[in-house]
Amino acid sequence: EAGVAQSPRYKIIEKRQSVAFWCNPISGHATLYWYQQILGQGPKLLIQFQNNGVVDDSQLPKDRFSAERLKGVDSTLKIQPAKLEDSAVYLCASSLRGRGGYGYTFGSGTRLTVV
Amino acid sequence: AQSVTQLDSQVPVFEEAPVELRCNYSSSVSVYLFWYVQYPNQGLQLLLKYLSGSTLVKGINGFEAEFNKSQTSFHLRKPSVHISDTAEYFCAVSAFMYSGGGADGLTFGKGTHLIIQP
Repeated sequence: EAGVAQSPRYKIIEKRQSVAFWCNPISGHATLYWYQQILGQGPKLLIQFQNNGVVDDSQLPKDRFSAERLKGVDSTLKIQPAKLEDSAVYLCASSLRGRGGYGYTFGSGTRLTVV
Repeated sequence: AQSVTQLDSQVPVFEEAPVELRCNYSSSVSVYLFWYVQYPNQGLQLLLKYLSGSTLVKGINGFEAEFNKSQTSFHLRKPSVHISDTAEYFCAVSAFMYSGGGADGLTFGKGTHLIIQP
């Protein structure tokens, strides 16, 4: 089966600019997650969608980050305006029916550098 | 809420020697437990997971882990490491869901860098 697709692979922007990342989960996976992985740290969950509804966004910095999942398939994560500390790899993952026991599949990530 | 502690940020080991990477967790609910490996500039790859049943779980590349509920630990072991095992290893937990649809995102530890010395 095809994996989780993410684009772009790399992005360099100046601080205060905006940026958007795209994710296409595995077909049939109702649950989608966005993680932020800062260099030298483990990934941190930003937001979880179940179909097109938000299940958990408690760690999403809502003053600058936003995410949507229209039609319960693809998702976009946006940062506006970006800060230097947003430099990280942004990982998208999906799972079947929101049960971790079925496994999480991760995309290759988007590496963001804010200068 | 859950938390994961990986006590060792870096573990140097000689090639063909055994290794243990330690992981402890804290949670107010039942959890699933995972170990992931991340090679340089690559994504996360699942090594193994514990859902229920036997507390000794075998994964890919010769790795295994043992779930110890009383000590809330899930340590990763390999009897003989190879130079290709050099990577970052992450322990993670997610809340056990009796039915789909709840908040079950993974909580990761900070990672352990396994360094294999020839």
